[in-house]
Amino acid sequence: DTAVSQTPKYLVTQMGNDKSIKCEQNLGHDTMYWYKQDSKKFLKIMFSYNNKELIINETVPNRFSPKSPDKAHLNLHINSLELGDSAVYFCASSLGQGNTEAFFGQGTRLTVV
Amino acid sequence: GENVEQHPSTLSVQEGDSAVIKCTYSDSASNYFPWYKQELGKGPQLIIDIRSNVGEKKDQRIAVTLNKTAKHFSLHITETQPEDSAVYFCAASKVTNAGKSTFGDGTTLTVKP
Repeated sequence: DTAVSQTPKYLVTQMGNDKSIKCEQNLGHDTMYWYKQDSKKFLKIMFSYNNKELIINETVPNRFSPKSPDKAHLNLHINSLELGDSAVYFCASSLGQGNTEAFFGQGTRLTVV
Repeated sequence: GENVEQHPSTLSVQEGDSAVIKCTYSDSASNYFPWYKQELGKGPQLIIDIRSNVGEKKDQRIAVTLNKTAKHFSLHITETQPEDSAVYFCAASKVTNAGKSTFGDGTTLTVKP
């Protein structure tokens, strides 16, 4: 059983399109995250949700809109995609807030052409 | 906010040698310090963590040390094996930080057979 699963694994799309990445965790965790990993492997937090409520938004452009329909799901919708959005996006979850292990999904490699 | 610096950015060792990766953090209130290993094409995975009430923790070939006064912590891998080759990330967080972990920039470890 996959603990944190995100789909799709690969996403190639043209500039200006709108796309979504889905994430689900079956660990019963209360907190979920979206991270962005750029070409240099730097890992930066984008959003954090706790029990469906947004608790962290790290100065991400408002073209990125996370949505959490329930605490097991955190989806990421991106409008008007730009070349600079190309990266690997990781979903993660943790039991607590900030001081417990984070479990990461396998990542979604987004390529904007 | 928290700032985590990680060194070196790349590290190459011979199989059987030891590897040491160091991180410093800026927020003295941080109290949780995990280390993640990221293999190619996968999400980061926790390999060891330490909390601020402990100075050292060991798990087989992996150990982590924490110096709260100096605000630095280190990962030690002994008897390295080719399968240890990966990108390693340190992170720092605190329970009051609403779920945010600040990651170091990563160390690419290569173990030569």
